[in-house]
Amino acid sequence: GAGVSQSPSNKVTEKGKDVELRCDPISGHTALYWYRQSLGQGLEFLIYFQGNSAPDKSGLPSDRFSAERTGGSVSTLTIQRTQQEDSAVYLCASSLVLAAKDTQYFGPGTRLTVL
Amino acid sequence: AQSVTQPDIHITVSEGASLELRCNYSYGATPYLFWYVQSPGQGLQLLLKYFSGDTLVQGIKGFEAEFKRSQSSFNLRKPSVHWSDAAEYFCAVGPNNQGGKLIFGQGTELSVKP
Repeated sequence: GAGVSQSPSNKVTEKGKDVELRCDPISGHTALYWYRQSLGQGLEFLIYFQGNSAPDKSGLPSDRFSAERTGGSVSTLTIQRTQQEDSAVYLCASSLVLAAKDTQYFGPGTRLTVL
Repeated sequence: AQSVTQPDIHITVSEGASLELRCNYSYGATPYLFWYVQSPGQGLQLLLKYFSGDTLVQGIKGFEAEFKRSQSSFNLRKPSVHWSDAAEYFCAVGPNNQGGKLIFGQGTELSVKP
């Protein structure tokens, strides 16, 4: 079956522009997660969704970052007024249910480069 | 605060040799522990996980890991490494009161010599 997909796979943008990153989770998975992988910070958790709800947004690096999920499926991570330090690979994962024990399946990521 | 430490940034082993990747965690209770592998250009793939019970867990691709509470460690092992095992390996902790959030170590890059 289809895994987690993310688009675009690569995104190059200019500093100050807004970008949208998309994640399509595995069908039927109720939980969705966003992580960021960068050279300086390693793999860091950003936000998770249970259905369309994001109970904990404390992992988002700044108020320029926002995320939403609609229909319990697709999620969009939006970065406004991008900065060079936002350059990273953004990974999305999904799991059947929201539980620490449940296996998270990761997508291939979106590589964001801010010039 | 919870944290995960992988002391070795880069390890090189010869093909056929044994492998041990180290992972230490800091967490107040018994954590949920995971090992993921990331091959170049690929997403993260779960190798194995530990929740409770037998402290030696078996995973995919011939990997195993041992949970040692006294040492706060969860080291990954493989008896005989194959060239295709070259990748980056991440240890992670899943706090059981923060949804499904995973806290990752910095990763260990494995190179395999022919």
